[in-house]
Amino acid sequence: QQKVQQSPESLTVSEGAMASLNCTFSDGTSDNFRWYRQHSGKGLEVLVSIFSDGEKEEGRFTAHLNRASLHVSLHIREPQPSDSAVYLCAKNNNNRIFFGDGTQLVVKP
Amino acid sequence: EAAVTQSPRSKVAVTGGKVTLSCHQTNNHDYMYWYRQDTGHGLRLIHYSYVADSTEKGDIPDGYKASRPSQENFSLILELASLSQTAVYFCASSERGAQDTQYFGPGTRLLVL
Repeated sequence: QQKVQQSPESLTVSEGAMASLNCTFSDGTSDNFRWYRQHSGKGLEVLVSIFSDGEKEEGRFTAHLNRASLHVSLHIREPQPSDSAVYLCAKNNNNRIFFGDGTQLVVKP
Repeated sequence: EAAVTQSPRSKVAVTGGKVTLSCHQTNNHDYMYWYRQDTGHGLRLIHYSYVADSTEKGDIPDGYKASRPSQENFSLILELASLSQTAVYFCASSERGAQDTQYFGPGTRLLVL
């Protein structure tokens, strides 16, 4: 079974400060990764998809992938209170997606 | 804009009863998925389908059946609902498979009493 672990479980930042979320996985030689956001009581919204080592930016959201260290991160630049949500890391392997348990982000005004 | 809708949005069911959750997509996508999410956890795949009239087991299929009568519609069926099936259920679609972006519905909150 593929393992996807996220840290921290919860994170509180002030509005405008950088927020950094982490995801480690058990094996990722040919996998793709996505970061999703889930506001309370809502569905999932894809933020960034990353398919190769390095960096991928989508607006204020930047993902970094390092397959050698089995690690993918998400950095949120200038977070706003409306960014308060659960952030889920997902790994695609052999036409299946495996999700982490999420990081609860709270952005304080 | 991709659109995946689910019905009902919430449901209370009795143990042993039959529950049907419905999903409709207007994306013209081949793939559709059913996930469940338990409080404080990520999503787990129950069933998926890549073509009408065919379904495949996901990672946790026990206690669930799926039906794909058309490209647009995908149902999840709990023949004998149990307390352990209390969860939020999400439907999603993607164009070709999991390597493509999945678009999610708003979820159905199911409470089994």
